Amino acid sequence: EAQVTQNPRYLITVTGKKLTVTCSQNMNHEYMSWYRQDPGLGLRQIYYSMNVEVTDKGDVPEGYKVSRKEKRNFPLILESPSPNQTSLYFCASRAVLGTPQHFGDGTRLSIL
Amino acid sequence: EDQVTQSPEALRLQEGESSSLNCSYTVSGLRGLFWYRQDPGKGPEFLFTLYSAGEEKEKERLKATLTKKESFLHITAPKPEDSATYLCAVQAGGGATNKLIFGTGTLLAVQP
Repeated sequence: EAQVTQNPRYLITVTGKKLTVTCSQNMNHEYMSWYRQDPGLGLRQIYYSMNVEVTDKGDVPEGYKVSRKEKRNFPLILESPSPNQTSLYFCASRAVLGTPQHFGDGTRLSIL
Repeated sequence: EDQVTQSPEALRLQEGESSSLNCSYTVSGLRGLFWYRQDPGKGPEFLFTLYSAGEEKEKERLKATLTKKESFLHITAPKPEDSATYLCAVQAGGGATNKLIFGTGTLLAVQP
């Protein structure tokens, strides 16, 4: 089954404790993205990747890092999480530009 | 500045009562407009892609249309299972950017 898998689905942690949210897709897609979704603000793109070792900033990249060492994986790293990063996060992938994105089921992060 | 606005924010319909959701956009060079459905606790699920003004797509009770400034998602004789948040997203600009701009969504509730 074609899917985008995120882990963990839920995480409660404390300010400053580094964390990584993993994302993996099994569709051999070139493009991958991370979004955060907040009430009243909708989905905002954090980072995206157009291929292995090629990444670029989205609209809200501050406080986040990403890497794309393999085509299928695109982890999101919070080096020093802060409470304003409490949000619902989605990973997505697409085959080529102009085609629809496939989303994971989300990761709900709470930073205390 | 590229922008996507959806209206209304929320819509309550009786089962069988047809209506339309609006997505207006101001972008530099439209490369695709996407409609998604999002259920609580889930990632957005792809519905339609529209590429040029005049284009229409249909699926069951849903029909999406596109003009140069806006898109409509028409829901004909909705059922309670159509209740969800409907998201509109636009890919804009030239080059190889994977940037998508999302609206904040319309929360649809269909009552039996």
